[in-house]
Amino acid sequence: GAGVSQSPSNKVTEKGKDVELRCDPISGHTALYWYRQSLGQGLEFLIYFQGNSAPDKSGLPSDRFSAERTGGSVSTLTIQRTQQEDSAVYLCASSLAGFETQYFGPGTRLLVL
Amino acid sequence: AQRVTQPEKLLSVFKGAPVELKCNYSYSGSPELFWYVQYSRQRLQLLLRHISRESIKGFTADLNKGETSFHLKKPFAQEEDSAMYYCALIGTGTASKLTFGTGTRLQVTL
Repeated sequence: GAGVSQSPSNKVTEKGKDVELRCDPISGHTALYWYRQSLGQGLEFLIYFQGNSAPDKSGLPSDRFSAERTGGSVSTLTIQRTQQEDSAVYLCASSLAGFETQYFGPGTRLLVL
Repeated sequence: AQRVTQPEKLLSVFKGAPVELKCNYSYSGSPELFWYVQYSRQRLQLLLRHISRESIKGFTADLNKGETSFHLKKPFAQEEDSAMYYCALIGTGTASKLTFGTGTRLQVTL
């Protein structure tokens, strides 16, 4: 079946602009995760959604970052007033449930000029 | 706090030679350990997890709680093993988020 998909694959934006990154998880997966992969920080957790529970936002680096998951499926990660240090690859993953194997999408490469 | 350490950024071996990618972790409870691999131009994918005790593509990893290690091993390296390898853990009660090491690039040469 189809894996996790993300769009856009690449995004170039100017400092101060807002961006939205989209993730389509594997159908039927109740858990969805966002991670960030950057040169300076490696792979770091951002936010986790599990079913209808309140999301775990403990990894979001600042209040400029937010995410939502509509209808228990598609998720959007929004970065407001982007900064150059936001440049990274943003990865989405999904799993059948918490603690199950996480399947990753191809990522969105964000470049903030 | 939980932490995963991969001391080697790059490991270069000859084809047919044994491979050992090191991973050490710190976590006060009983973590679940994983190895993820990212081949060139491909997405991050699970290689193996310690609870399944499987051997995938000839790779194995044993959880050593005394040494808090989860080293990845393969007796004979193949060219197609060249990739970036990440060790990761999930701590119980941490909402199943993965904590990753910084990764080791394995380069298998002829």
